[in-house]
Formats: sequence, structure tokens, C-alpha cells
Amino acid sequence: NAGVTQTPKFQVLKTGQSMTLQCAQDMNHEYMSWYRQDPGMGLRLIHYSVGAGITDQGEVPNGYNVSRSTTEDFPLRLLSAAPSQTSVYFCASSAIPIGTGNTIYFGEGSWLTVV
Amino acid sequence: RKEVEQDPGPFNVPEGATVAFNCTYSNSASQSFFWYRQDCRKEPKLLMSVYSSGNEDGRFTAQLNRASQYISLLIRDSKLSDSATYLCVVWGGYSTLTFGKGTMLLVSP
Repeated sequence: NAGVTQTPKFQVLKTGQSMTLQCAQDMNHEYMSWYRQDPGMGLRLIHYSVGAGITDQGEVPNGYNVSRSTTEDFPLRLLSAAPSQTSVYFCASSAIPIGTGNTIYFGEGSWLTVV
Repeated sequence: RKEVEQDPGPFNVPEGATVAFNCTYSNSASQSFFWYRQDCRKEPKLLMSVYSSGNEDGRFTAQLNRASQYISLLIRDSKLSDSATYLCVVWGGYSTLTFGKGTMLLVSP
């Protein structure tokens, strides 16, 4: 039972470097999303997707790119890392419609530090 | 007005106490409601969905009041292991999944 798998769990980047956070789910969920969680800020939506080939911006998309070439994978790319992107990142997935027996599953999180 | 609002707490209660949290939401078209639990440095995990008629799961009871646009979570006979942050989550349809900032609960011996 893999569920939602995120890698890496921990990463340290230098300012200006780029990297990709990987997210994969094996539940055939249409909805996938990326959140960042900062102290006192709660979970903030970065990007989301409702199916392969469909992505859209969330609340805080600047500095991040996503793609959804398959149902299973939803990578998050940091184009040029900045210290403000130091955060915990969570990937989540769900069948649609959310509710009515379909709930949101989270990955274990990726701790990113940008120095 | 923020979309989903929660009292951040912390709520400090002794073991065995009953504690209640409220969460208000601004989108009257919201369709689905959840309570998630998040332990320190861990991912959020589903505690329970919230149904229109209210629902109970052991020591936990959730209520929905659509007219006043709030949901509540009642925890009876609190345990030390209930110490966590409780997130209110609202699904407004399509992409509008909104999280509250969470309410911290600390249960002491």
C-alpha cells in the first residue's frame, strides 16, 4: 500500500539552484496537488491538477512549475531556489469529487532548506 | 474574511476533559467538509468527514451547520495521544479545497 510517495524527504539547496520534488500515487486519483506549510501560515496551495495534461495555479505558484504527463506522477519544480522557498512541501491526491467517500491522502512531506 | 477560519489555540485540557473546536467557512456553496489531524512534523491524516446530519466516531463528534457556515469537532474523554493540531478542510467543488490554519490541542496528565 504505497499511497502517496514523495521524494526526497530532506533536501538542502543553494540559492539559485533548481530541483524537482517527486510525487507519485498508485490509487488512480484524478486530483493531485502541492502545498507548502510554513509556521503560522497553514497549508497553502501551490499548484494542482485534475487529470493528466491539466494543471492550474493555486494560491502561491510563483517560483514553481508542475506538469502532469501521467495520472500517477505530479512533480514540482523549483526553477531558481530562493531562501523564501524554505518550507515543508506536501503532495496530496484524491479521487473526484472530493467527499462522498473520496478523501484526500497526503505524502509524508519534503523538508526543503534553501541557503 | 478568510475562507476557512479556526482558533489557533492552543487549547490546554487535562486528560478526560471534553473539548470542542469550531471552524467557519465563507463559501456558502461548499460541498464537503473534513477534520484532519496533524502531528508535529508529520503529514495531515483524515480524522473524519463531516456529514450534514452530524456524525460520531468513538470519542469524536462532528457537526455541520450550513445556515451559519461552521463545522465543529467535539472530543470527549481526551487522551494524551489526542495532542495534535486539528485542521478544518472545506471542498468547494472543482479545485477549491481550502485548509484552515489549524487548532492546536495539548492534553496534559
